[in-house]
Amino acid sequence: EPEVTQTPSHQVTQMGQEVILRCVPISNHLYFYWYRQILGQKVEFLVSFYNNEISEKSEIFDDQFSVERPDGSNFTLKIRSTKLEDSAMYFCASSEDSGALHFGNGTRLTVT
Amino acid sequence: AQRVTQPEKLLSVFKGAPVELKCNYSYSGSPELFWYVQYSRQRLQLLLRHISRESIKGFTADLNKGETSFHLKKPFAQEEDSAMYYCALSPIEYGNKLVFGAGTILRVKS
Repeated sequence: EPEVTQTPSHQVTQMGQEVILRCVPISNHLYFYWYRQILGQKVEFLVSFYNNEISEKSEIFDDQFSVERPDGSNFTLKIRSTKLEDSAMYFCASSEDSGALHFGNGTRLTVT
Repeated sequence: AQRVTQPEKLLSVFKGAPVELKCNYSYSGSPELFWYVQYSRQRLQLLLRHISRESIKGFTADLNKGETSFHLKKPFAQEEDSAMYYCALSPIEYGNKLVFGAGTILRVKS
């Protein structure tokens, strides 16, 4: 069964550094998402992406965040200048249509 | 605003006992409701969605619009059901965004 893959599984970075989290969605899916989960808290929506543009974003997704689909297979989340509070598990997801999201295993981001 | 409430952080039952994981939602429109499950060291995966009305791994969930609930039930718990369960809502008119509840850990004891 096809899966969403995310790399790396764990990223450690220093405060103020840029970080790029990578995802390969399921190949025939058209909708892509990033979610995050701070330790002990809910899974929170960050952004959705469709037809090569952001379709919706949350308040969390400020100017420090950006997403890109650079080559038709990868879907990346960039954090320009990381803060301590960006430490979380970041989940990529994709879907064919409304609702049924397929999630990756997540990238644990630790900002020191 | 959309909100999903799962009141129990942890539900512990014995094998063979009935299970009910509670989920209540707050949304003014007609949402789509889901249950996702995360087994130990595995990814979040869809368990069921209300529009498909399926029973997956013996679990069922009925959308009750009057009580704004979507409780997950199974008549006889099995040890392999131990996992984290998330209820989620998709406000249909806002695309495919999912709003998650805080999750409930189900622990099935032998």
